[in-house]
Amino acid sequence: QKEVEQNSGPLSVPEGAIASLNCTYSDRGSQSFFWYRQYSGKSPELIMSIYSNGDKEDGRFTAQLNKASQYVSLLIRDSQPSDSATYLCAVNKRGSYIPTFGRGTSLIVHP
Amino acid sequence: KAGVTQTPRYLIKTRGQQVTLSCSPISGHRSVSWYQQTPGQGLQFLFEYFSETQRNKGNFPGRFSGRQFSNSRSEMNVSTLELGDSALYLCASSSGWAGEYNEQFFGPGTRLTVL
Repeated sequence: QKEVEQNSGPLSVPEGAIASLNCTYSDRGSQSFFWYRQYSGKSPELIMSIYSNGDKEDGRFTAQLNKASQYVSLLIRDSQPSDSATYLCAVNKRGSYIPTFGRGTSLIVHP
Repeated sequence: KAGVTQTPRYLIKTRGQQVTLSCSPISGHRSVSWYQQTPGQGLQFLFEYFSETQRNKGNFPGRFSGRQFSNSRSEMNVSTLELGDSALYLCASSSGWAGEYNEQFFGPGTRLTVL
């Protein structure tokens, strides 16, 4: 089992819809979780961090964490074509300063 | 606050050569991590430096090395380049103090092509 798993996609959604991106992790002791957005040919950009169970909202983005089920998700409301990118999930295992990254999910928002 | 800077942005080298990449973290950040990103392997951790000391190390051969200076700037060196070293090399800056809650901020990357 991979440490951090994401569906590679592509996930295709129409403009204005909600995009739901999921990530599962294997280490039950993981404490911190991050979502990065990476446009083609660019570097990853941190968009959300979440540490506690439940939802965390920032603008059109909502991160959801369920430690019991070992998954973290990212919802993008009112998706725009400019949201088309690869979304990377990163997880810090207990005691680790260094996140483990998933392979990313490619999101395509079509007009 | 200025972001993370990396130089050079693009490099073309031939097999057997060596290369040095540079990273300047966000002002006040003491930790610099280096990653290699390829389409086949995704983002792979190379090493992390904090206060001029290598604090964490990934699973890369000894040809990959790094160092950090007293102003937190970091360099990464790859010796005896191989074709498989062609990748995007990313530097990530963080405060280094937050433990597991460390947020990392990436620089623009250096695109290395080995011919």
